[in-house]
Amino acid sequence: DAGITQSPRHKVTETGTPVTLRCHQTENHRYMYWYRQDPGHGLRLIHYSYGVKDTDKGEVSDGYSVSRSKTEDFLLTLESATSSQTSVYFCAISSTGRAGELFFGEGSRLTVL
Amino acid sequence: DQQVKQNSPSLSVQEGRISILNCDYTNSMFDYFLWYKKYPAEGPTFLISISSIKDKNEDGRFTVFLNKSAKHLSLHIVPSQPGDSAVYFCAAFSGSARQLTFGSGTQLTVLP
Repeated sequence: DAGITQSPRHKVTETGTPVTLRCHQTENHRYMYWYRQDPGHGLRLIHYSYGVKDTDKGEVSDGYSVSRSKTEDFLLTLESATSSQTSVYFCAISSTGRAGELFFGEGSRLTVL
Repeated sequence: DQQVKQNSPSLSVQEGRISILNCDYTNSMFDYFLWYKKYPAEGPTFLISISSIKDKNEDGRFTVFLNKSAKHLSLHIVPSQPGDSAVYFCAAFSGSARQLTFGSGTQLTVLP
């Protein structure tokens, strides 16, 4: 199994509070991704990174920011959480191996009340 | 506008029979197509892929077919087993953007 861990695994917070989710990998992979999973929408890309300090927006980036100061860590921040950001968040990593093959973390379930 | 669509939210099949999961896409520029499998409370895991220049790829009980003219792919599982019960996501990969676009998923239930 790819060495990828997400924290926290579960979080309940209130509207308007900041939230940071952490993704940590031990594989030294260049590419890292944050997705959210919602019923009827599958997995949607929020942000991704192609190297330290190199990040770009995905399909649903509004309300989210990311940072990658080290190869192994990719942080997703909700500056002011809203109820629409209640979701399960997945981090994924990929090497330059098989095209499109991502290794996913176990997910972080976020509930915004 | 969804670029990758899975129009069947759920599918039930009997153990030992064939499961066929379908997926449609709109962007002709995708380079690879993949299927991921997801169990509850776990992250998705890669299952099988196919290059856009191929029309079939087989791996054990799993076969993926690609029909480029129809912009359609399907995953066949033969024979289906109860352990195959999971959500299956179709995905399309763009090499230039290095991004994976997912469909909404199909819940497969294999009945013993």
